[in-house]
Amino acid sequence: EIVLTQSPATLSLSPGESATLSCRASQSLSSYLAWYQQKPGRAPRLLIYDASNRATGIPARFSGSGSGTDFTLTISSLEPEDFAVYYCHYRSTWRPIFGPGTKVDIK
Amino acid sequence: VQLVQSGSELKKPGASVKLSCKTSGYSFNKHAVNWVRQAPGQGLEWLGWINTNTGNPTYAPGFTGRFVLSLDTSVSTAYLQINSLRPDDTAVYYCARDDNWYFDFWGQGALLTVSS
Repeated sequence: EIVLTQSPATLSLSPGESATLSCRASQSLSSYLAWYQQKPGRAPRLLIYDASNRATGIPARFSGSGSGTDFTLTISSLEPEDFAVYYCHYRSTWRPIFGPGTKVDIK
Repeated sequence: VQLVQSGSELKKPGASVKLSCKTSGYSFNKHAVNWVRQAPGQGLEWLGWINTNTGNPTYAPGFTGRFVLSLDTSVSTAYLQINSLRPDDTAVYYCARDDNWYFDFWGQGALLTVSS
């Protein structure tokens, strides 16, 4: 069974700073990884798919990289609306898996 | 594209509930529908998906038996029924459109509270 680990659990930053979030898999995922953003009381929103492709309408300050077992979501300059929880997601055809999430909060 | 879910539900243990997810803005049979559970203060947990062409459901381990996914293609709607409700079924349940196994559009979520 594949396990996704996200680090750090919480990231405290100021607006304008850069955020680097990590997702590590227990087995190779190739590039079948997505990132979602979730704000309190809201549904998740797809940000990145296939490790590095931005979903429709996602600002360029969000970027994804990695393959195999190590993946990174980078937010280049945090806007106030970017403070949220971010989940990575393995696109399995038989059992999709979510990571536990990283909370990005305001320092 | 929109997925609009039914409202919050308060149920007693042992009861059943049927949550709906009405879709619009795309061809219903071209995208599967997934369901994701989020317990209070917790992360996302994939529950299962349903093939909107065949109506065939697939369930994650731990969601077999009491959970039933179904469709009404005439109204482009997917359903999640949960039987024999338990307090630990309390959660927000999301439906999400499947695009190449990624979840590109989500419903707003339906809060289910199971309490005596």
